[in-house]
Amino acid sequence: GAVVSQHPSRVICKSGTSVKIECRSLDFQATTMFWYRQFPKQSLMLMATSNEGSKATYEQGVEKDKFLINHASLTLSTLTVTSAHPEDSSFYICSAERRTAYNSPLHFGNGTRLTVT
Amino acid sequence: GENVEQHPSTLSVQEGDSAVIKCTYSDSASNYFPWYKQELGKGPQLIIDIRSNVGEKKDQRIAVTLNKTAKHFSLHITETQPEDSAVYFCAASGPPTGYSTLTFGKGTMLLVSP
Repeated sequence: GAVVSQHPSRVICKSGTSVKIECRSLDFQATTMFWYRQFPKQSLMLMATSNEGSKATYEQGVEKDKFLINHASLTLSTLTVTSAHPEDSSFYICSAERRTAYNSPLHFGNGTRLTVT
Repeated sequence: GENVEQHPSTLSVQEGDSAVIKCTYSDSASNYFPWYKQELGKGPQLIIDIRSNVGEKKDQRIAVTLNKTAKHFSLHITETQPEDSAVYFCAASGPPTGYSTLTFGKGTMLLVSP
């Protein structure tokens, strides 16, 4: 089955530093990947849509200069949280859309727990 | 944009009982409705989905029903087991934002007691 891998699973960083999170589709090519943020006991909120070879599309209220997204290949998208602050502490989850299968279900990674101290 | 409401927010049942989670959506153009199970500290896992041309779909102990006229869909879990305990999210998508751009409900924490 389709597998989406995220790395790291947990990261702790100091305020002001930057953190990069990777999202990989392991057994399929993903034209589009999605980045979500989930605060404790809340739902998933879409942050941005990442398209291979083009600029990401950000949801309203999400700062594109703070959350840098790169989708350099059909199997890898990265999210970089720049100048992280404690309020950026959250659970970040990616999902990937299979390139060749029309209307195939979305598969999610296991998330990255970011804690900013 | 799409708005998905999910109820209840928490649901406690005894092992062997059935559990029903209900969602409503606002955009009549939505045509894809997946359900995800999320265990603590993990990403969501797709458990079942339904498209708008179907009224019901079943997979072993799990079933989903869709009423397009009323714009609501429900998840039914029969013969619940303790390992069914998790947070369940419904979602909806469709034009113009696209099939993969999901709007999630707020989630239901299901607790199955032995």
